[in-house]
Amino acid sequence: AQTVTQSQPEMSVQEAETVTLSCTYDTSENNYYLFWYKQPPSRQMILVIRQEAYKQQNATENRFSVNFQKAAKSFSLKISDSQLGDTAMYFCAPEKLVFGKGTKLTVNP
Amino acid sequence: DAMVIQNPRYQVTQFGKPVTLSCSQTLNHNVMYWYQQKSSQAPKLLFHYYDKDFNNEADTPDNFQSRRPNTSFCFLDIRSPGLGDAAMYLCATSRDGTVEAFFGQGTRLTVV
Repeated sequence: AQTVTQSQPEMSVQEAETVTLSCTYDTSENNYYLFWYKQPPSRQMILVIRQEAYKQQNATENRFSVNFQKAAKSFSLKISDSQLGDTAMYFCAPEKLVFGKGTKLTVNP
Repeated sequence: DAMVIQNPRYQVTQFGKPVTLSCSQTLNHNVMYWYQQKSSQAPKLLFHYYDKDFNNEADTPDNFQSRRPNTSFCFLDIRSPGLGDAAMYLCATSRDGTVEAFFGQGTRLTVV
């Protein structure tokens, strides 16, 4: 069975600072996608960023970027210039939408 | 415009009384998923459809069933809800199961 580990149950960061959320996973696949999803207190899950495993270049979406280490099966999310609206649960989902336990991120003013 | 729509947003049912939650999509995606999410926990995949092919997770209780009469609609049936089934139920769709999913707003189920 696929395993996903998010080792930080909760994190907090000051507004405008940078924070990194970690995720490690296990898979037997060689080509796959990895995702970070965000679930704000309103509860609708939305995609933050996607990484294709066969691409060496790390994905970037505005203030969000990933550090993908395929050999280490590590897929961390970096949020730069944190905003209050970034407060949410963040879930790592390496392929087939099996989620990690999540990291609760709070951005403080 | 909403692309994955779940109805109702809130559902109260009696212990043991069958209940059906619905999900519809306008994306014409092949894959539809149902998740159960309890408070402060990650979503737990119950099952998914790839087109008409039903895929049940090994640990999904028999009490949970699903129907997908066409591409646009998928239903979650709970045959005899127990107090432990109270949760948020999330529906999601994906074009082919390898790319990102789009989620509905969820249905919060209360069992009394």
